[in-house]
Amino acid sequence: NAGVMQNPRHLVRRRGQEARLRCSPMKGHSHVYWYRQLPEEGLKFMVYLQKENIIDESGMPKERFSAEFPKEGPSILRIQQVVRGDSAAYFCASSLLSSGDSTDTQYFGPGTRLTVL
Amino acid sequence: EDKVVQSPLSLVVHEGDTVTLNCSYEVTNFRSLLWYKQEKKAPTFLFMLTSSGIEKKSGRLSSILDKKELFSILNITATQTGDSAVYLCAVEGMDSNYQLIWGAGTKLIIKP
Repeated sequence: NAGVMQNPRHLVRRRGQEARLRCSPMKGHSHVYWYRQLPEEGLKFMVYLQKENIIDESGMPKERFSAEFPKEGPSILRIQQVVRGDSAAYFCASSLLSSGDSTDTQYFGPGTRLTVL
Repeated sequence: EDKVVQSPLSLVVHEGDTVTLNCSYEVTNFRSLLWYKQEKKAPTFLFMLTSSGIEKKSGRLSSILDKKELFSILNITATQTGDSAVYLCAVEGMDSNYQLIWGAGTKLIIKP
């Protein structure tokens, strides 16, 4: 059973370009979470999605950032007009269950390291 | 504001030593506390703790939660160089049963 897949592993963009980060959850998982990790800091929650729905985007900047998790295909985190401060590692996690009575473990992908020149 | 604080921030020990990593938290309606190990890749899950006083063990690693004092410890006995990593603690609140609040991590270095 393949784990969470993220691509690309490394992404270099110039200021003002767009960055697209992809995340394929584990098989059978329908909940996806995106986190950002800045150097020397812990992971910061960005957004939680279920298939075709954004459940919580409270951790995502209001401008330039968007996320989707279509019915078919991977979840996409999109950053428009990137700036140097967007340079970070972006991790995706997936889980089988989420809301309700059960707490389910989040399994993480390898991350995408974004460098903005 | 919900927060998770880990200590120490970094730790250097020799192979064979035992280490104890600390995680204290303040979170509304606590649900669970999780420990992850992060090497040069994504965090890998170690333990989930929901009940006070019940120790979870996996090989040389063990962890316990104290919900009264609001902290958890992660113990590693007979450390090996492969234990070198950043150990992350995360807490999940009942009101937000998916959003993990992360500590900054403890960087553990095991010297041969």
